[in-house]
Amino acid sequence: KNQVEQSPQSLIILEGKNCTLQCNYTVSPFSNLRWYKQDTGRGPVSLTIMTFSENTKSNGRYTATLDADTKQSSLHITASQLSDSASYICVVISYSSASKIIFGSGTRLSIRP
Amino acid sequence: EPEVTQTPSHQVTQMGQEVILRCVPISNHLYFYWYRQILGQKVEFLVSFYNNEISEKSEIFDDQFSVERPDGSNFTLKIRSTKLEDSAMYFCASSEAWGGGEKLFFGSGTQLSVL
Repeated sequence: KNQVEQSPQSLIILEGKNCTLQCNYTVSPFSNLRWYKQDTGRGPVSLTIMTFSENTKSNGRYTATLDADTKQSSLHITASQLSDSASYICVVISYSSASKIIFGSGTRLSIRP
Repeated sequence: EPEVTQTPSHQVTQMGQEVILRCVPISNHLYFYWYRQILGQKVEFLVSFYNNEISEKSEIFDDQFSVERPDGSNFTLKIRSTKLEDSAMYFCASSEAWGGGEKLFFGSGTQLSVL
């Protein structure tokens, strides 16, 4: 069964600290993996998209990694800011099929001053 | 940056009533989608739409649901007879390429509450 599992479910860190969010997937066949940021009551906003051949991709203070062999991805946030408080959702796409866009449950990140 | 807009932001309705959720996708996009997110749960795919017809739909998208692109700009989701379990945040999305391609743009959502 195609699944995307994220950990931790929630995380609280102090402003300025770094953190890493994890995503494991069993989606097959694999096309690409995306990380989204979702503020409360808002739609998801894309942070990164990674294909099979990419190991690391950065977007400002966000760095995503992908290990296609172990089917794991991580999102590292550097020097966190209060505005980083949100849910971070890992999404895996199996080829280019709308019905095979599998969402993880997200990690709820809270940044404390 | 271009954005997908959804209206209304909140919709409250009585069980059994019909609701129409509206979306204006990004103007040059060709593929349109509806997703929903029940409070505290994952985002779930409902339906995709291309060339004025449904491309794919999930098990959730039963006969109570329909989609339409009535005028070339709006993209609507209709629920004919709402049930309590239809209460959720409904997201519209659009993309240039099938499956989202480089980016799948989401709207801010419509929070539907069925009483």
